This record gives sequence, structure tokens and C-alpha cells, in this order.
Amino acid sequence: KAGVTQTPRYLIKTRGQQVTLSCSPISGHRSVSWYQQTPGQGLQFLFEYFSETQRNKGNFPGRFSGRQFSNSRSEMNVSTLELGDSALYLCASTLTSGTDTQYFGPGTRLTVL
Amino acid sequence: AQSVTQLDSHVSVSEGTPVLLRCNYSSSYSPSLFWYVQHPNKGLQLLLKYTSAATLVKGINGFEAEFKKSETSFHLTKPSAHMSDAAEYFCVVSWKAAGNKLTFGGGTRVLVKP
Repeated sequence: KAGVTQTPRYLIKTRGQQVTLSCSPISGHRSVSWYQQTPGQGLQFLFEYFSETQRNKGNFPGRFSGRQFSNSRSEMNVSTLELGDSALYLCASTLTSGTDTQYFGPGTRLTVL
Repeated sequence: AQSVTQLDSHVSVSEGTPVLLRCNYSSSYSPSLFWYVQHPNKGLQLLLKYTSAATLVKGINGFEAEFKKSETSFHLTKPSAHMSDAAEYFCVVSWKAAGNKLTFGGGTRVLVKP
């Protein structure tokens, strides 16, 4: 079974631009969560989607948004990029929304110049 | 707020010697506990998971962890370190009330000396 895939793997943007990252979960998994990893703040939860609905949200500004499609694929969008948004963005999938084991993708490395 | 503390940000061991990575979490009802490993420029790989069955949990690559409720600890050990164990390790907790939201410790970077 294929693992979690994320595209693109690397991205360079400038301040003020917006960006969309994509995540395809493991086949059959219906829940997708997003995390931001930075050297200063570590790994922080962004949000979780299950059956196309946002189930949980972390403490991030409204510039960070996401959605999930009927095939469980998810996208996250960051608008009006700031230098501090430079990070590794990780996506994880689970079968359901609960405390199942989360399986992580390789991440998208976003650099904001 | 729920929290997870990894007591060492860096651990250095010699190849063939034991590894101990320490983790404490804030007490709450029915936590699920995980250890993940991250090799450079890679995503997170699950090492092991505790979900209120046996208190000693065996994982992949010879790692195991012991859940001690009285000490709110979930330390990770390996009897004999290998060069390929050099990576960053994260202790992670989720609570039923928070659904799939994972709370991560700050990470422990392991250096393995030949």
C-alpha cells in the first residue's frame, strides 16, 4: 500500500504571496492532519479534516486554511506569506478521527524569501 | 494545557551501548503515547505506540518503551545503539478529548559515535 504523499516537496515563495500544499492519504484513510515544523517552535498542530469537515484546529492565524475533498485528499493554503512561515509542513493520515496511529508523509519544505 | 517534556535535547552514545531517551507528559485520562523518529530531511516514522495494554511496548528496530502511570513517564530505550539510530526522536501524546491532535515533545537528537 502506498504511503502518504505530499506535493510539492520543495517550494520557494516571496513575502506576500500565497501557497497551496497537497496531501494524499494512505488509501482507505479518511482523516488528514497538518503540522508545521520549525527549529524554534518544533512541531505544532495546524488542523484536522475528516469526511471533508474540519474537526480540530490549532492556534494559527486565519491565513492558514485547509480543505478536504471527497477522495480524502487534502490541501492547505497559506495566504500573505511571512518570513516566519518558512517551515517543513507535514501531513499525516489515519483511518478515522480519533486516536488512531497517524502515518506521516515526507513533508513539503517551504522557504519564504 | 496538556504538555509533553523530553528531558534531554541531545544524547550522545557510542555504538553498541544502550540508549535512553526520557519523556514525561502531563497527567490526563487515557492518553495515547507514541515515539516517532525523524531522519534528516525525512518525515516522521512511527517507532511504537502505547494504548493502555501492556506497559512495556516493543517497537521496530529493537526499541522499546515503558509506560509508568505513577511517574507520568514513557521513556524509550534500546539495548545496543547502531550508527543508523542517529536521528531526532519525538515523544508524542494524544488525548481522547483532543481527537487526532498530536502534542509533540521538543525532540531529542541522538548522536552515535563509532
